[in-house]
Amino acid sequence: AQKVTQAQTEISVVEKEDVTLDCVYETRDTTYYLFWYKQPPSGELVFLIRRNSFDEQNEISGRYSWNFQKSTSSFNFTITASQVVDSAVYFCALSEAGNYGQNFVFGPGTRLSVLP
Amino acid sequence: DGGITQSPKYLFRKEGQNVTLSCEQNLNHDAMYWYRQDPGQGLRLIYYSQIVNDFQKGDIAEGYSVSREKKESFPLTVTSAQKNPTAFYLCASRSGQGRDGELFFGEGSRLTVL
Repeated sequence: AQKVTQAQTEISVVEKEDVTLDCVYETRDTTYYLFWYKQPPSGELVFLIRRNSFDEQNEISGRYSWNFQKSTSSFNFTITASQVVDSAVYFCALSEAGNYGQNFVFGPGTRLSVLP
Repeated sequence: DGGITQSPKYLFRKEGQNVTLSCEQNLNHDAMYWYRQDPGQGLRLIYYSQIVNDFQKGDIAEGYSVSREKKESFPLTVTSAQKNPTAFYLCASRSGQGRDGELFFGEGSRLTVL
């Protein structure tokens, strides 16, 4: 069965620090997709990134970067020079391509607090 | 703008009452989902629908019902059989024919049972 683990329940950093959120996944499929979402206090989940299992290139988008390593089944998310607006709950998710409907599995989330 | 609209944003209910949460999307997505989120918890799947007039139970479907009469709409009814309905409910739709796309979420509906 597919599974997503986010071992860090809560993280607190001071503004301008770098922070890495860990995500470890389990799947038996060779084709799958990984996602990160941000949930600010307002509640809506905001899509950040999607990565397929055949693309191990790291991604950078402004202050955000993602490190995908199939060898360790990890898809970690780094925020550089964190800001107070980055405070939110971040979810990692996994989707197996061959399975419809219930194939989108979320991790438990990591609550990030960025202090001024 | 394309997106997902959930209503109401806040809802209060007395015990024993059924309530219906609305979810409408104009993204032309076939697949739609309902999730429940409890404080400090992740998302749990209630129901999903891949196509009009078809839907499937998720992990925690007991006490809930849905319909999918139109592609754009996927309302969720929280029935009196749901023992602990106070929660945050999120509706989503999915691109990529429900296979590999990302989920797009509404703003959520917060239900409180008095």
